Amino acid sequence: DIVMTQSPPSLAVSLGDRATVNCKSSQSVFHSSNNKNYIAWYQQKPGQPPKLLISWASARESGVPDRFSGSGSGTDFTLTISSLQAEDVAVYYCQHYYIAPFTFGPGTTVHIK
Amino acid sequence: QVQLMQSGAEVKKPGASVRVSCRASGFTFSTSTINWVRQAPGQGLEWMGWISGYNGFAKSAQTFLDRVTMTSDSSTGTAYLELRSLRSDDTAIYFCAREGDCGSPSCPYDYWGQGTLVTVSS
Repeated sequence: DIVMTQSPPSLAVSLGDRATVNCKSSQSVFHSSNNKNYIAWYQQKPGQPPKLLISWASARESGVPDRFSGSGSGTDFTLTISSLQAEDVAVYYCQHYYIAPFTFGPGTTVHIK
Repeated sequence: QVQLMQSGAEVKKPGASVRVSCRASGFTFSTSTINWVRQAPGQGLEWMGWISGYNGFAKSAQTFLDRVTMTSDSSTGTAYLELRSLRSDDTAIYFCAREGDCGSPSCPYDYWGQGTLVTVSS
């Protein structure tokens, strides 16, 4: 099974500053058949189900603010919030969908400094 | 609009079974794949398995292999998750989620149900 790790577990960022969340997979999730990385990022606020932000490691979903961006390839990935807003306080999870089981990272809590 | 409506909260005793339903609307269930994910109180997300709305083929995580059954009823657009031999550490919110149409055999989850709290307590 592919194990997903995230760092840091928690992150305090001032409003308007950059937030960076790291995600690492225990094996490559890059598929040469389509040149894509099978990584998604989700945002979860208290009492709500997760919300898909990014698929294919860097493709932002429709309606997601452009301050959210994803990058990385192979085994190392990053979610960046370029200018943190109050409504971005949440837990962020990465997930691979390369091959079942489609495991999630343990999550990173982002809050305001 | 796309919706996944889950059944209500359950309280079960250890050793019992629970069945959670997830009724889909706003899209063609028979061409979709539904995944199940659970979240223990204050914890992260745990993938449990998926089921095809097309043919009912299901695959569960090894952790749950002998205790979980996933089924679907395409006539009503409903997916079901049954978990048996419940333990206290099965206390969690259980989510169903739809795989998006990303052009690949597996896709991330673009719509989620509201979650069903299952509490296991004697």
